Amino acid sequence: DAKTTQPTSMDCAEGRAANLPCNHSTISGNEYVYWYRQIHSQGPQYIIHGLKNNETNEMASLIITEDRKSSTLILPHATLRDTAVYYCIVRAEAAGNKLTFGGGTRVLVKP
Amino acid sequence: DTGVSQDPRHKITKRGQNVTFRCDPISEHNRLYWYRQTLGQGPEFLTYFQNEAQLEKSRLLSDRFSAERPKGSFSTLEIQRTEQGDSAMYLCASSLGGGDGYTFGSGTRLTVV
Repeated sequence: DAKTTQPTSMDCAEGRAANLPCNHSTISGNEYVYWYRQIHSQGPQYIIHGLKNNETNEMASLIITEDRKSSTLILPHATLRDTAVYYCIVRAEAAGNKLTFGGGTRVLVKP
Repeated sequence: DTGVSQDPRHKITKRGQNVTFRCDPISEHNRLYWYRQTLGQGPEFLTYFQNEAQLEKSRLLSDRFSAERPKGSFSTLEIQRTEQGDSAMYLCASSLGGGDGYTFGSGTRLTVV
């Protein structure tokens, strides 16, 4: 699976959009981009995933660049409960199905 | 069925003792995964099952570790002769298919003293 690069940490203001970047310059054509988050003392929670097209669900939006070498997770209206570590992962569906987590981005939402 | 259940939530054991953790996945999920997470790090893959078959094991899974999933339902992870380096959060996850997002349990925190 391709490696990803994320900022170590970032702050954002409550009620504002949080934009979390991820670089995956070595991504292959059959690899998806997945985002998970982990709130303190809990297991990781699936947020969203995509291949080429932008995706949106009730939690977030995923914007993937045309060359697929980077992506941005957008939390449209951050709340204090969105404080967590966010992991960007790229994975091929057939790659043994395991997710390989990096260090993630520690996001602190401030009032 | 409200999600993936792990038991116990916390375990403190003396070095050299054996411990066993249990994971109950979402009932219709055929894939089950074990991960280990140490403080400040992302989860690390240990092993995964499709139904009752253990299909992949990480090099992190030493001979002291064994996982089973009899009948393709719940799974157990046993650590024999625990060492202080085994102290970590052990996470279980399940999924219905390869492309789906995983659902993780809340984990079992192991402390070896």
